[in-house]
Amino acid sequence: QVQLQESGPGLVKPSGTLSLTCEVSGSSLEKTNWWSWLRQSPGKGLEWIGEVYHTGSTLYNQSLKSRLTIFVDKSKNQFSLKLASVTAADTAVYYCASREQLLPNWFDPWSPGTLVTVSS
Amino acid sequence: DIQLTQSPSSLSASVGDRVTITCRASRDIDIYLNWYRQRPGKAPNLLINTASNLQSGVPSRFSGSGSGTDFTLTISGLQPEDFATYYCQQSFNSLITFGGGTQVEV
Repeated sequence: QVQLQESGPGLVKPSGTLSLTCEVSGSSLEKTNWWSWLRQSPGKGLEWIGEVYHTGSTLYNQSLKSRLTIFVDKSKNQFSLKLASVTAADTAVYYCASREQLLPNWFDPWSPGTLVTVSS
Repeated sequence: DIQLTQSPSSLSASVGDRVTITCRASRDIDIYLNWYRQRPGKAPNLLINTASNLQSGVPSRFSGSGSGTDFTLTISGLQPEDFATYYCQQSFNSLITFGGGTQVEV
């Protein structure tokens, strides 16, 4: 059974870089899955941020693309998110999740979620 | 991007009620539409995949239908744990989008 657990700082200063890591257990990162990041601003809906394949190929939300880097570390069986030049609008609960590469696909499983606050 | 519009944005219901939520896509997405339930403070949980397939372990009171641009999630016999927010999500386009959510309240 695949399990995902995110980790990283819960507080980031404005203009800084938000960095999160998702540890994958119960599965290899090299299976045919997209490894994804999503977020949910307080009281708001779900937003797909982007995702990475084990080859390093990425898909990014166009609205975040200029600030976003998602990459894998196969030696540690984990993948990571870096979001640069953050503002208060990036305050959200961040989730990592997985979906199969081929259609049909869906997000399952999800991590529990971690709140990241952007504040000085 | 493919826009997903859910309606209603919120509804009031009672235990045992039948509830229907709709999701409309801005263009044809075939059957590549999934439904999730999110309880307060928790991660979303997959209920229905590919428009009408009940995810393993999900109670049979949940059902989904539709194709193309119009989709429906039905809960037949609302239970206390179903007072939550529901989201649709399309995977037709590699740029994933979600509906705005429907909050089911007591």
